Amino acid sequence: EAGVAQSPRYKIIEKRQSVAFWCNPISGHATLYWYQQILGQGPKLLIQFQNNGVVDDSQLPKDRFSAERLKGVDSTLKIQPAKLEDSAVYLCASSFTQGLTSYNEQFFGPGTRLTVL
Amino acid sequence: GENVEQHPSTLSVQEGDSAVIKCTYSDSASNYFPWYKQELGKRPQLIIDIRSNVGEKKDQRIAVTLNKTAKHFSLHITETQPEDSAVYFCAAAPGDNFNKFYFGSGTKLNVKP
Repeated sequence: EAGVAQSPRYKIIEKRQSVAFWCNPISGHATLYWYQQILGQGPKLLIQFQNNGVVDDSQLPKDRFSAERLKGVDSTLKIQPAKLEDSAVYLCASSFTQGLTSYNEQFFGPGTRLTVL
Repeated sequence: GENVEQHPSTLSVQEGDSAVIKCTYSDSASNYFPWYKQELGKRPQLIIDIRSNVGEKKDQRIAVTLNKTAKHFSLHITETQPEDSAVYFCAAAPGDNFNKFYFGSGTKLNVKP
């Protein structure tokens, strides 16, 4: 089966600019996640969608980050304006999960490496 | 929120030796603990997981143990091979959302041939 797709793979921007990332999950996966992975650290969950609703966004810096999954499939993550500390790999993942208390493997995309200068 | 600590940050072993990576967690309500492997430049992939009602789980050369009382869990890799070289991440998920993963900081495993 096709995996999680992300684009772009790399992005370099100046601080205070805006940037958007796109994710297409595995077909049929109801739950979609965006993670931030800073170099040398583990992934940090930013937002979790189930279908087109937000399940958890407690770690999303809402003053500058936003995400949407309008039709319950593709998703976009936006940063506006970017700061130097936003330099990281942004990983999208998806799972078949139909409920918060069901166990399902999360499948990760290749990530987008963002460099903020 | 949950806090997961992982040790060591780097681990170097000789091919054929065993490797052990340890994680501790803070939230006693956490009840799902996956382990992911991330090879250089690639995406994380699940290698094994354990639920809170199980003390140990094995899959060929890989095993995970869980001590809920002490709030720690460990990954054991036996008969290591060069292809085991990667960064390994542990994670914990709270009892009200089994899919909200809190990851450790990672262990870079180097298996020397």
